[in-house]
Amino acid sequence: DTGVSQNPRHKITKRGQNVTFRCDPISEHNRLYWYRQTLGQGPEFLTYFQNEAQLEKSRLLSDRFSAERPKGSFSTLEIQRTEQGDSAMYLCASSFSGQVIYFGEGSWLTVV
Amino acid sequence: GESVGLHLPTLSVQEGDNSIINCAYSNSASDYFIWYKQESGKGPQFIIDIRSNMDKRQGQRVTVLLNKTVKHLSLQIAATQPGDSAVYFCAEIYTGANSKLTFGKGITLSVRP
Repeated sequence: DTGVSQNPRHKITKRGQNVTFRCDPISEHNRLYWYRQTLGQGPEFLTYFQNEAQLEKSRLLSDRFSAERPKGSFSTLEIQRTEQGDSAMYLCASSFSGQVIYFGEGSWLTVV
Repeated sequence: GESVGLHLPTLSVQEGDNSIINCAYSNSASDYFIWYKQESGKGPQFIIDIRSNMDKRQGQRVTVLLNKTVKHLSLQIAATQPGDSAVYFCAEIYTGANSKLTFGKGITLSVRP
C-alpha cells in the first residue's frame, strides 16, 4: 500500500492523558500536513512540514500540541494533557511540492 | 441535474442524473484547486484538480470548471451513482507561498435510487 498511513486509527483516552499519532506519508513526498476535523466541518489546518522543517503552525495548535518530522519521513503529532475539546479526527496528508495532496484515513481521538 | 451553493448542506439527486456542486472560493491569489470526496469515517479522497491557468478539466465522469473572475468552482458528476453519495469539499491553495490547503464548508450529496 503506497498511500498515507496513520496510526492508531482510533484512540480513546482519559482527560489529562497524553496521546501521540503517527503518520507515514507517501514515499518521496517532501511535504506533510496535519489537519483536524470535527463532525460536520471541513478539515482545519494545523501544521505543515517541508522535509524536516516545520514551516507553518496554525493558531489552533496550542502549546499542548507538538508535531515533529525528525528525518523528513514519518511525522508524529502529540497532544499533552488532553481535553474533551480535543476530540476530533486528526488527518495527515502528503504531497510532492505543488502537486496533489493526498490524505490518510485519519486518526479518531475521543477524550472521556 | 441540480446545482446548489455550499451554503446549503445537502444535495439530493436521482440515480442516473447529473450532479453539479458549486463552490465559491475566498482567496483571489489561489492558483490550485482540488475537489475531495469524503465518505463517513474516512479521510478525504482526491477526485480531481485544476490549476488557475485552466478553466475546465475532465476526468472519468467528473468535470471541474473554474471561473476566476467570480472566484467560482464547480464539480459536475455525470450519471450519478449510489456510490457517489458522500460529502464533497472544494479546497484552494496558493502554491507560491506556504502551501496551506484551505477547505470550503462541504456539501452532502445524496443519491436516490
